[in-house]
Amino acid sequence: ERLMTQSPATLSVSPGERATLSCRARQSVGGSLAWYQQKPGQTPRLLIYDVSTRATGVPARFSGSGSGTEFTLTISTLQSEDFGFYYCQQYNDSVTFGGGTNVDFK
Amino acid sequence: EVQLVESGGGVVRPGGSLRLSCAASGFTFDDYGMTWVRQVPGKGLEWVAGINWNGGSTHYGDSVKGRFTISRDNARNSLFLQMDSLRGDDTAFYFCARLIAWDVRHGIDYWGQGTLVTVSS
Repeated sequence: ERLMTQSPATLSVSPGERATLSCRARQSVGGSLAWYQQKPGQTPRLLIYDVSTRATGVPARFSGSGSGTEFTLTISTLQSEDFGFYYCQQYNDSVTFGGGTNVDFK
Repeated sequence: EVQLVESGGGVVRPGGSLRLSCAASGFTFDDYGMTWVRQVPGKGLEWVAGINWNGGSTHYGDSVKGRFTISRDNARNSLFLQMDSLRGDDTAFYFCARLIAWDVRHGIDYWGQGTLVTVSS
């Protein structure tokens, strides 16, 4: 399985700040990468797929970038509803999720 | 409205078997690949298995390969996960989910609420 490593494990930010989350693959996953948000007690929500395509209804403050083995999810201006866990997922070679980043209140 | 409703979870002894079902509605079932993802409470997501639109292509995570079998019945808009040789580390919530396209290698756009599987003696 293709190992996906997310960093940092926890990101403490204040509302209004910019948040940058990283996801690294051990081998290239091409353009086959998605990002999900999960809040406590809820199922994950698709934010981004194919590296940079926002899913339906996802605000423009969420953006994805990267290629090959290095990927980034950026939240341009963090809102209070954006706190929670974020997972990256590759689907180039089988499917694997990263370990997650917890975005919490600073 | 897309709905995915899992059933079949419960408590089973190590080495036992369980079959999960997922009833899908609100979309054309055989237009989409489907998948199972699991999550231990308080932990991260783990991909379990995926199946393409007609069941002709299936894929499994390394930890369940050879023990779990994913299948679908398009006539009944249903997805299944047969779980054999269950172990304690299979204990988790199991989510049925829809892929955003017909093949396995895509993101997931809809999730069920999950069914809890507990493997314990």
